[in-house]
Amino acid sequence: QSALTQSASVSGSPGQSITISCTGTSSDIGANNYVSWFQKHPGKVPQVVISDVSNRPSGVSNRFSGSKSGNTASLTISGLQAEDEADYYCISFSSSGTWAFGGGTQLSVL
Amino acid sequence: EVQMVESGGRLVQPGGSLRLSCATSGFTFGVYWIHWVRQTPQTGLVWVSRIKGDDGTTHYADSVKGRFTISRDTAKNTVYLQMNSLRAEDTGVYHCVRDRPLWEWGPGTPVTVSS
Repeated sequence: QSALTQSASVSGSPGQSITISCTGTSSDIGANNYVSWFQKHPGKVPQVVISDVSNRPSGVSNRFSGSKSGNTASLTISGLQAEDEADYYCISFSSSGTWAFGGGTQLSVL
Repeated sequence: EVQMVESGGRLVQPGGSLRLSCATSGFTFGVYWIHWVRQTPQTGLVWVSRIKGDDGTTHYADSVKGRFTISRDTAKNTVYLQMNSLRAEDTGVYHCVRDRPLWEWGPGTPVTVSS
C-alpha cells in the first residue's frame, strides 16, 4: 500500500477559495467512491468534512465541497475563514480491502 | 451518542508486546467496521487495521501484517489491537474510529516504543 499524495501546504486569504488535491491510483481513488476528507486542528481529533467523495455531513459548513476525477480527489474550501486554518487529510478505500491516508496538507489563512 | 474510548497505551521496549482496547457505545456494533489509526507529528495519520463488527472480517496495513492482530468481543462491544514485535516506528497515538460515513474518533491512547 502507498500513501496517497497531497501537497504539503497551501495558503489563501480570507474570502478566497482554495483546492487541496489527493492523488492515488486506479486501485484506490480511481476504483471507488469511498474518499473522505478530515480537518485536524492542533490537539484535537480529526473531524470529517467530506465523506464518499462529495457528501457533506450534517453540521459541516457548505463552504466545503469535494469532487473526484480519475485517480485524483479534491477538497475545495470557499470563502476562507481564519477558523479553516488546520491540517487536512484525505483517505481512500482500496480494492485490496485496506484504506490509506494522504500525507496531509497544512492550510494557512493569511 | 456515539462513544469510542481507547486504553492500554504505554511505554514498551522494542520487540515487546501491547494490547490496546477500544470500548464503544451508542450504536449497533455489528453494523459497522471499526478501524485503528496511528497519529504522529512526523507522519500524520496512518491507517493500521480494521474489523467488521458482525463477522470479524479483518484487514491490515502491510507495515503491521504478521505483527498486529485486531479482534472484537461482540458481548462487550469492544475492539482490541494486539501489537507484537513492536518497533520504534510504531510509536504514536492510536485512535479507534467508527467507519464512514461519519467517521467517529476516540481521543486516542499513546504508545511509545523505546529502550
